[in-house]
Order: sequence, then C-alpha cells, then structure tokens
Amino acid sequence: EAGVVQSPRYKIIEKKQPVAFWCNPISGHNTLYWYLQNLGQGPELLIRYENEEAVDDSQLPKDRFSAERLKGVDSTLKIQPAELGDSAVYLCASSPRTSGPYNEQFFGPGTRLTVL
Amino acid sequence: GNSVTQMEGPVTLSEEAFLTINCTYTATGYPSLFWYVQYPGEGLQLLLKATKADDKGSNKGFEATYRKETTSFHLEKGSVQVSDSAVYFCALHTNAGGTSYGKLTFGQGTILTVHP
Repeated sequence: EAGVVQSPRYKIIEKKQPVAFWCNPISGHNTLYWYLQNLGQGPELLIRYENEEAVDDSQLPKDRFSAERLKGVDSTLKIQPAELGDSAVYLCASSPRTSGPYNEQFFGPGTRLTVL
Repeated sequence: GNSVTQMEGPVTLSEEAFLTINCTYTATGYPSLFWYVQYPGEGLQLLLKATKADDKGSNKGFEATYRKETTSFHLEKGSVQVSDSAVYFCALHTNAGGTSYGKLTFGQGTILTVHP
C-alpha cells in the first residue's frame, strides 16, 4: 500500500514569490493534516480536513496561506507571497476514520521550502 | 494549553549503550502519548503509544511507560544500534474536545546518533 505522497520534495524560491505544495493521502483516509516543521522543532498543525471540509484552521496564517482539498482526496497548500520566515518543512499526514478516540496519523516525507 | 517538553539533545551513544530520552507533558483532559521517529529523508513514523495511565508502549526494543503522577513518558532502549540513529519526537493527543481533538502536539525532537 502506498503511503502519503508529497511533491515537490524540495523547493527553492525567492521571497514574494508564490509556492504550492501537493499531498495525496493514503487511499480511503478521510482526515488530512498539514503541519509546519521549523528547523529543530516539532511539527505544528496548520490545518485539518475531514473529507473536503476544513474543520480546524485556527493556526493557518490566512493572510498569505491557503489550502484546499477538492473532492476530499488530495490537497494543495499555497503560500502567496512567501517570506523568508516561511523556510521550513511542510508535512502532510492522513488518518482513517475509526470508532476509537484516536486515529493514527501517517506522515509523508515532507516538502522542504527554502525562501531566499 | 497542551505542551510537550523533551530533553535537550543531541544525544550521542556507542552501539549497545542504554538509551533514555526524557519527555514530560502538560495537557487538559486525558491525553494519549506517543513517540514518533524520523529517519533521515523520511517522514515521521509512529514508534509506540500508550493511551492511558500505567500503560507501557513497546516496539523494536523501545519502551515507554505512561506516568500520570509525574506527567512523563520517557523513551528507553536497553541496547541501541547504529540503525537507531534518527530524530525522536514525543507527542500527545487529547480528546478534551474543541480544537484540540484531532491534533497532535509535539515536543521539539531529540537527535540520536549511535556510533559503531
């Protein structure tokens, strides 16, 4: 079974340019997450989707970040315009729907963004 | 709010040495606790978990016990191998409702390097 797929793996852009990251979750997983991981830090949630609905986007900087999950499958995270401080790893994760209190999250390899 | 604190790294050990990585947490409700591992160039993988007090999670020779009285979840392994070199993240998940549901809160990560 394929894991969570992310592309590109690496991206280098100049500040003020737009950038987009793509994520394809594990087949059948209803929940999709985008995390931000700064160097030397643990991941921090940006947004969580249940199917195509963003149910927790409280940590997403909405002035420059946007996300979508059309048709409730793959998702795109966009930054426009990018700033120097956006240099980080952007992780995508997905989890299945279960009856238990916790749904295990499966992570992709991440996209490493460098803003010059 | 929820938070996770890990011991300062990096940690450097010789093969077959004993490993301890400390983790303490602050949370509302009744959290589930996790250790994730991130090998170079790969995504985060769930290493082990414990969902209630006094539970012991174990996998691949690693163990951690959920200690509610000390709010800790220390990771241990009796004999590390070179292949254990990675970054280890302690994390919690709480079902207290509101925006915390469905979100993992991570520690800052501990880099482990094992020499032959």
